[in-house]
Amino acid sequence: QKEVEQNSGPLSVPEGAIASLNCTYSDRVSQSFFWYRQYSGKSPELIMSIYSNGDKEDGRFTAQLNKASQYVSLLIRDSQPSDSATYLCAVNAGGTSYGKLTFGQGTILTVHP
Amino acid sequence: GAGVSQSPRYKVAKRGQDVALRCDPISGHVSLFWYQQALGQGPEFLTYFQNEAQLDKSGLPSDRFFAERPEGSVSTLKIQRTQQEDSAVYLCASSLRGQGREQYFGPGTRLTVT
Repeated sequence: QKEVEQNSGPLSVPEGAIASLNCTYSDRVSQSFFWYRQYSGKSPELIMSIYSNGDKEDGRFTAQLNKASQYVSLLIRDSQPSDSATYLCAVNAGGTSYGKLTFGQGTILTVHP
Repeated sequence: GAGVSQSPRYKVAKRGQDVALRCDPISGHVSLFWYQQALGQGPEFLTYFQNEAQLDKSGLPSDRFFAERPEGSVSTLKIQRTQQEDSAVYLCASSLRGQGREQYFGPGTRLTVT
């Protein structure tokens, strides 16, 4: 079982719709959770971080964390074609992990006009 | 402000050559990480520095890989006797404090071993 799992997609949504991206993780002691966006040929760009249960909103993005279910998600409202990218979920276990991130393989999102 | 920079952006090496990849983190960032990303996969952790101390090198795939950060700022990842399986994008990230806080990535170095 992979430590961080994402549906690789591709996930295709029409412009203006809500895109929902999901991620599960196996290590119960994980403490920090991040979503990165990666355009083809580019490096990962941090878009959201979340540390406690519940929702965190930033513009069109909402991250949701449920530690009991070991589940973190990212909602993108009013999706735009420019949101088309690979979205990477990253988890930090804390403690002696020194902040190293474990990534999922990424979900490819396509927003079509 | 300036982000994380990496050089070279692209490197082609013949099998058996040594390569050195440089990372210049965001000014003032204490923590520096190296990751390796294969095509179609998420980045995988290689090593971590807090200032000049290498606190975790558990992800380095073999003893051909070596990293240093002698003055607690710029870091170099060195790969000796490159092999074809070393072909990947090498990403550097820095964090103000590490310990589970936000990490910001550089543009990466794409290494191709022929």
